[in-house]
Amino acid sequence: EAAVTQSPRNKVAVTGGKVTLSCNQTNNHNNMYWYRQDTGHGLRLIHYSYGAGSTEKGDIPDGYKASRPSQENFSLILELATPSQTSVYFCASGDAKGTEVFFGKGTRLTVV
Amino acid sequence: GDSVTQTEGLVTVTEGLPVMLNCTYQTAYSDVAFFWYVQYLNEAPKLLLRSSTDNKRTEHQGFHATLHKSSSSFHLQKSSVQLSDSALYYCALRMSNYNVLYFGSGTKLTVEP
Repeated sequence: EAAVTQSPRNKVAVTGGKVTLSCNQTNNHNNMYWYRQDTGHGLRLIHYSYGAGSTEKGDIPDGYKASRPSQENFSLILELATPSQTSVYFCASGDAKGTEVFFGKGTRLTVV
Repeated sequence: GDSVTQTEGLVTVTEGLPVMLNCTYQTAYSDVAFFWYVQYLNEAPKLLLRSSTDNKRTEHQGFHATLHKSSSSFHLQKSSVQLSDSALYYCALRMSNYNVLYFGSGTKLTVEP
């Protein structure tokens, strides 16, 4: 079974603070993704990566940065967190063919 | 632009009855694949079924879907739902050039006794 691990699983941050969400995959997948999940909006793509050193903007990249230092790790960075970024964030990985994407268990972020 | 539409946010069905969850899409690409993901409470989304072949029925875990390019649809169906089918269901599409999944807004299915 493919494994995608997110940390932390829960996070409370203050407005204006910096938040880093981490993701590690042991699937040796080239592609990794960050989504946020909000009721009524579903899963929206923030950033994605095709491999180490690459990051691409998704549909809602504003206020977020991403970093892919290695095949296994993909981080999502909120430099100046805002309450509107309160959400559940999912990391996922997928092979180059795109036949399936495997999700982590999610990180619940609350910005107060 | 490319998009996936799930018109029903909430669907409630009595156990043992059939259900259909709607999914329509809009894309300029011809080489695309379609997916249904299911997310149980407090769990990660996981693949339920996928298809890229027009007019071919795909089945998994009692659910089935048929891609109809003529109507731009990929509806999910089950003939007899169970209590354990209660979950959030997402329809998604992937353009082969980009290897990125674009999801609809999701449909929460509640199965009642």
